[in-house]
Amino acid sequence: DAGVIQSPRHEVTEMGQEVTLRCKPISGHNSLFWYRQTMMRGLELLIYFNNNVPIDDSGMPEDRFSAKMPNASFSTLKIQPSEPRDSAVYFCASSSTGNYGYTFGSGTRLTVV
Amino acid sequence: GQSLEQPSEVTAVEGAIVQINCTYQTSGFYGLSWYQQHDGGAPTFLSYNALDGLEETGRFSSFLSRSDSYGYLLLQELQMKDSASYFCAVRAPGGKLIFGQGTELSVKP
Repeated sequence: DAGVIQSPRHEVTEMGQEVTLRCKPISGHNSLFWYRQTMMRGLELLIYFNNNVPIDDSGMPEDRFSAKMPNASFSTLKIQPSEPRDSAVYFCASSSTGNYGYTFGSGTRLTVV
Repeated sequence: GQSLEQPSEVTAVEGAIVQINCTYQTSGFYGLSWYQQHDGGAPTFLSYNALDGLEETGRFSSFLSRSDSYGYLLLQELQMKDSASYFCAVRAPGGKLIFGQGTELSVKP
C-alpha cells in the first residue's frame, strides 16, 4: 500500500488566497483525521470523519476552514481566505475500526505570507 | 476537556535506557498511544495500551496505570536513530486522538 497520500507537500501562498489541501487515505480505512502542527500548539485535531461523515469539527479554528470527504478515497481541507497565522504543517491520518494506530501522511507545509 | 503532560526534553547516551512519562486528564479515556516523529517527518505509531500493565515491542515498551492516569514509554539499548520527538496521545470517545506536546529525545554518542 502506498500509505496516506497528501498533496501538495509544500504550499506558499499570499494572505487572502484560497488554499486547498488534499488527502487520499489508505484503502479500507474508514476513519480520516486532519491535524495541524505548530511549535506553539503542537498537534491539534481539526476534524475527523467516520465512513465519510464528519463526526467532530470542534477543532476547526474558524469559519475560514472547511473540510469535505466526498468519498472513501478522498478528502480536502480548505482555507479561505488564508492568513499568516495559518502557517503550519497539516497532516492527514487514517485508521480502520479495531486498529488503534493511525497512519499519517507526509504532511503539507503551508506558508502564508 | 483533555490535557496531557510530558517532559519537553530528555537527553541520554547510546546504549542507555530512557523513560518518557506522560500524565493525562481527560473527560473520556479508551487508551494511551505513543508516536515517534523525526524532524521533518510524520508521526509514526509505536504502541497502544488500553489496559493496565506493560506492553513490550522489541526495544520499546509502554506502560499504563489507569488509576493513576499515568503512562510511560521505555526505550532500551538506545541508538542514535532514536533521536526524535515522542508523543503520548489519549484515545478519546469517537476514536479521536488527543496528543501531548511531545518530548524531544536526544541520544548522544
